[in-house]
Amino acid sequence: EAQVTQNPRYLITVTGKKLTVTCSQNMNHEYMSWYRQDPGLGLRQIYYSMNVEVTDKGDVPEGYKVSRKEKRNFPLILESPSPNQTSLYFCASSPGGGSYNEQFFGPGTRLTVL
Amino acid sequence: EDQVTQSPEALRLQEGESSSLNCSYTVSGLRGLFWYRQDPGKGPEFLFTLYSAGEEKEKERLKATLTKKESFLHITAPKPEDSATYLCAVTNQAGTALIFGKGTTLSVSS
Repeated sequence: EAQVTQNPRYLITVTGKKLTVTCSQNMNHEYMSWYRQDPGLGLRQIYYSMNVEVTDKGDVPEGYKVSRKEKRNFPLILESPSPNQTSLYFCASSPGGGSYNEQFFGPGTRLTVL
Repeated sequence: EDQVTQSPEALRLQEGESSSLNCSYTVSGLRGLFWYRQDPGKGPEFLFTLYSAGEEKEKERLKATLTKKESFLHITAPKPEDSATYLCAVTNQAGTALIFGKGTTLSVSS
């Protein structure tokens, strides 16, 4: 089944404790992206990757890192999480061409930083 | 600045009561407008892509239309299972991100 998977689905952590949210897609898509969704603010892009080893900042990149060493994986790293990073996070992927094509979204990761 | 505005924020319908959701956008040179459905606690699910004014797409009870400044999602004879948040998004100028509206939350009661 073609899908985007994320792990963990739920995470409660404390300020400053490094964490990684994994994202994997099995559709051989070139483009991958991370969004966060907050009440009243909607979905906002954190980082994106046009292909392996090519990543760039989105609208809200502060406090996050990403890497794209393999085509299928695009982990999101929070080196020192803070309470303002409490949010619902979505990974998405699409075929080559950036965001011109439909994006397939993962199931989401709900992160709480205490 | 690329911007997407959706209205209304919330809509309550009776089963069978048709209506439309609005998505107005400002982007220099539209390169794609997308409609997604999102159920609570889940990821957005793709519905439609529209690329040029006059284009229309249909899927079951849903029909999406596009003009030069806005898009409509028409819902004909909705059922309770159509209850969800409907998101509209456009591709940004660089083609690197989707710019989302805040969504319309639809509730359909039987």
